[in-house]
Amino acid sequence: NAGVTQTPKFQVLKTGQSMTLQCAQDMNHEYMSWYRQDPGMGLRLIHYSVGAGITDQGEVPNGYNVSRSTTEDFPLRLLSAAPSQTSVYFCASSSQTSGRAHPHEQFFGPGTRLTVL
Amino acid sequence: DAKTTQPPSMDCAEGRAANLPCNHSTISGNEYVYWYRQIHSQGPQYIIHGLKNNETNEMASLIITEDRKSSTLILPHATLRDTAVYYCIVRVARPSGSARQLTFGSGTQLTVLP
Repeated sequence: NAGVTQTPKFQVLKTGQSMTLQCAQDMNHEYMSWYRQDPGMGLRLIHYSVGAGITDQGEVPNGYNVSRSTTEDFPLRLLSAAPSQTSVYFCASSSQTSGRAHPHEQFFGPGTRLTVL
Repeated sequence: DAKTTQPPSMDCAEGRAANLPCNHSTISGNEYVYWYRQIHSQGPQYIIHGLKNNETNEMASLIITEDRKSSTLILPHATLRDTAVYYCIVRVARPSGSARQLTFGSGTQLTVLP
């Protein structure tokens, strides 16, 4: 298993540009989420999904959209990038029914480092 | 979720045991204690979890006090690669929806010294 993969690893945007951060997992996990981490701070939840076709907002959803058309993919869209969205973005997945992992163990991707100028 | 308190930083000599404390005095009876770590620039990594009893796996041991108000993560033989921020998180047993998010506080920066 590749686990949770994220692309791109690095991205620089200009203010006002839009882009999509990709996240995929091959563990058949129902639950996927997006966090952002600002320097010296903990992770904050942006959006999450409990299954294909179902998404909901987290703690800091403004400026971001998500969709979940398949179990495997959970892209995060920045509609109009702002310097305040400069951050490291992590995607995570977990399963309530995973045979090996504790149901609350979350698997994180390697992150996307985004800079908005 | 119960709030946790951790020291901001700790040092440990390579090869020695690293003992990372966590206070969670408001923990409820159905809440688990989880530990994650984040090595610089990487995504967080699950380490271990427990409810009441002490737990051990290939990475670490978790000691939970009898009153469950505090716990200690033990890395028995710390290596330089264990340098990371360690997060103690308290969670209900089977959360749903947004409650499934992990609330990361500031954690403890563990530095393993050569």
